[in-house]
Amino acid sequence: EDKVVQSPLSLVVHEGDTVTLNCSYEVTNFRSLLWYKQEKKAPTFLFMLTSSGIEKKSGRLSSILDKKELFSILNITATQTGDSAVYLCAVDKIQGAQKLVFGQGTRLTINP
Amino acid sequence: DTEVTQTPKHLVMGMTNKKSLKCEQHMGHRAMYWYKQKAKKPPELMFVYSYEKLSINESVPSRFSPECPNSSLLNLHLHALQPEDSALYLCASSPAGRDYGYTFGSGTRLTVV
Repeated sequence: EDKVVQSPLSLVVHEGDTVTLNCSYEVTNFRSLLWYKQEKKAPTFLFMLTSSGIEKKSGRLSSILDKKELFSILNITATQTGDSAVYLCAVDKIQGAQKLVFGQGTRLTINP
Repeated sequence: DTEVTQTPKHLVMGMTNKKSLKCEQHMGHRAMYWYKQKAKKPPELMFVYSYEKLSINESVPSRFSPECPNSSLLNLHLHALQPEDSALYLCASSPAGRDYGYTFGSGTRLTVV
């Protein structure tokens, strides 16, 4: 059975700290791994990773994929209170039709 | 236009009511999806439409009935729902090749009373 596991499930840090969120996966027919930020409603797209070892960056956020060890990390540096959200990791599969398999999410709280 | 628009944003319905959720995108995406998200849980896939044809039904009860009238619109018809169906219903779309990931709408928060 396909599985995507995120850790930690919950994290509370102070503004300015750096955080690392983890996502490991066991899926057949892996196509890509996606990171989303969900505050109140719509998950907002952050990154899509398809190749191992290539870091993707957007401002203070960065992410990398390891297809040999089957995991990805999402780093956030110099955290701000606006980074508080649930961060979702999802795996897209190669198959007849599209299907995203989500992890449980990491609830990140940034205290001022 | 780079958005997926969902209406209504909130819906309260009785167990005997019939209602519909609407989703619209004008990005030329040929795949559209319905997800259900319960509180503090990740989204769960319900249906996938690819080129206006239903390609995945994740064993969803028949009280949920999807419809894709054209490549820009996706509806979810609701009938005889149960209180446990109360959730956030998210619509998403993607290019057929999914090279740029999926775009989610803001969702409809549904409460069944």
